[in-house]
Amino acid sequence: EAQVTQNPRYLITVTGKKLTVTCSQNMNHEYMSWYRQDPGLGLRQIYYSMNVEVTDKGDVPEGYKVSRKEKRNFPLILESPSPNQTSLYFCASSSATSGMKSDTQYFGPGTRLTVL
Amino acid sequence: AQSVAQPEDQVNVAEGNPLTVKCTYSVSGNPYLFWYVQYPNRGLQFLLKYITGDNLVKGSYGFEAEFNKSQTSFHLKKPSALVSDSALYFCAVRVHSGGYQKVTFGTGTKLQVIP
Repeated sequence: EAQVTQNPRYLITVTGKKLTVTCSQNMNHEYMSWYRQDPGLGLRQIYYSMNVEVTDKGDVPEGYKVSRKEKRNFPLILESPSPNQTSLYFCASSSATSGMKSDTQYFGPGTRLTVL
Repeated sequence: AQSVAQPEDQVNVAEGNPLTVKCTYSVSGNPYLFWYVQYPNRGLQFLLKYITGDNLVKGSYGFEAEFNKSQTSFHLKKPSALVSDSALYFCAVRVHSGGYQKVTFGTGTKLQVIP
């Protein structure tokens, strides 16, 4: 089954304790992205990646890091989490090649992060 | 800079009536436009997209959207609403130009279909 998986689904942590949220897709997609969803603000893009070793900032990259060492994985790293990073996080992937299926993003189930 | 506006936080419609969820955008260049739907406690699901060609785009679950370049709008429509259409709807845009660029989402519109 084609899917995007995220782990963990729920996480409660404390300020300053480094954490990683994993994201994996099995569709051989070139493009992967991280978003955060906050009430009244919709989805805001944190980072995106066009392919292995190619990443770029979205609209709200401060406080986050990403890496793309393998095509299927795109982890989100919070080196020193703060309470304002409490949010619902979504990973997404899409094909970047031309054609009918390009640009359609497939989203993971979300990770609800609480930073105390 | 690109942006998307969804002017209504919530839209209420009676079951069986037509529905419209509004979206306007601002980009420098030609846009790729998308609609996604989010059901409670779920990730987003793709509904439809406009890349080029026919301004009227048909998508999943009977939804359609019309690209209007002069009004920079991409409103989502359905002729007859179902209670199961109740969800959160997001419009998104990215610029169609060389190389891939970031995607910008609107703030979302909650659709409530009343039985």
